[in-house]
Amino acid sequence: DQQVKQNSPSLSVQEGRISILNCDYTNSMFDYFLWYKKYPAEGPTFLISISSIKDKNEDGRFTVFLNKSAKHLSLHIVPSQPGDSAVYFCAASAITGGGNKLTFGTGTQLKVEL
Amino acid sequence: EAGVTQSPTHLIKTRGQQATLRCSPISGHTSVYWYQQALGLGLQFLLWYDEGEERNRGNFPPRFSGRQFPNYSSELNVNALELEDSALYLCASSFTGTVNTEAFFGQGTRLTVV
Repeated sequence: DQQVKQNSPSLSVQEGRISILNCDYTNSMFDYFLWYKKYPAEGPTFLISISSIKDKNEDGRFTVFLNKSAKHLSLHIVPSQPGDSAVYFCAASAITGGGNKLTFGTGTQLKVEL
Repeated sequence: EAGVTQSPTHLIKTRGQQATLRCSPISGHTSVYWYQQALGLGLQFLLWYDEGEERNRGNFPPRFSGRQFPNYSSELNVNALELEDSALYLCASSFTGTVNTEAFFGQGTRLTVV
């Protein structure tokens, strides 16, 4: 039962263009969503988050959009840089779950080409 | 400020043996989470410890267990190792009492069962 889904295992984008990574969820109890970035042989690094009371959160080159009715969120990176090449995980949590237990998607491998 | 640290970085065990993985959270964090990332899969939630007690566990057999010490560091024990336990084990920590804050990850322990 995959409650958080990232249907694109990989994405290739040219440097300077926009990268759009998508994530869908099925559990309507989720109320907080996060994006993590992971390089090989390293732990995930927190990127940006959004609460369910918002529909957009921006931090520098990174913007997360949340569409609650569609149970969909997306991460926009603009402009994309070669250093952004990594695996991006979408994660979600629910207050009722207690603590900050995160449910992760399977990740999208982003490759930013020169 | 030191981040989440995990040891060892790599661990090779034989099927049937026991493995012990260790995690030190960020100073001030009282919650520790364990995740498993098997090859080709996303991060799967294993265990959550807070204030020395197990608060929640994922869909894993009882041979996955652990504990949290008074200094909030944590151990994950995997008994009767099976080949499919080979994975990257990630530890994360966060504050307690403030729901929906970011969890910070360590670099992981790569467990290989032969």
